[in-house]
Amino acid sequence: EDKVVQSPLSLVVHEGDTVTLNCSYEVTNFRSLLWYKQEKKAPTFLFMLTSSGIEKKSGRLSSILDKKELFSILNITATQTGDSAIYLCVLSLTDSWGKLQFGAGTQVVVTP
Amino acid sequence: SAVISQKPSRDICQRGTSLTIQCQVDSQVTMMFWYRQQPGQSLTLIATANQGSEATYESGFVIDKFPISRPNLTFSTLTVSNMSPEDSSIYLCSVRYDGNTQYFGPGTRLTVL
Repeated sequence: EDKVVQSPLSLVVHEGDTVTLNCSYEVTNFRSLLWYKQEKKAPTFLFMLTSSGIEKKSGRLSSILDKKELFSILNITATQTGDSAIYLCVLSLTDSWGKLQFGAGTQVVVTP
Repeated sequence: SAVISQKPSRDICQRGTSLTIQCQVDSQVTMMFWYRQQPGQSLTLIATANQGSEATYESGFVIDKFPISRPNLTFSTLTVSNMSPEDSSIYLCSVRYDGNTQYFGPGTRLTVL
């Protein structure tokens, strides 16, 4: 079975800290790796990564993919309480429509 | 990105009843998907809904329990039939829009008593 493993499962940080979320996977053939932020109900899209070694940035968030070592990281700098959420690492597989393989998520709690 | 709306946003239902969840997208999309997220779990795909054909269900999900309609390229419904407390979950529709990115609707939080 394809696996997407996220670590840590949860963490608590103070505002202003930097967090690094890890995602390792066992799938070698996939279309893209996606990161989502899930606060209350719906996951909201953060990044899509397809190429190894190219960093994607959006404000205080950044992410990179390493296809050789089969992992991705999501960094959040200068964390704010609004960053508190579950962060999902998801693989879009190479079947006909890109079926998604979800990691279990990392719950981030940012305290004031 | 696609703008997706779902109705209702939440509901509390009695066991044995059925609830139909609606999903509306602001543009035409070929593929729509329905997911379930049980408490403390990640998302699980229920079925893929393509316009003009029957929905394709994942292992463990059947049409009698989760009938799906897809009358056009912007709309779909999922019905949760003969509900039990185990059906209490968040139900999400999603669409694959630009390339490999999937966007999710706001979700429907269902509680079955």
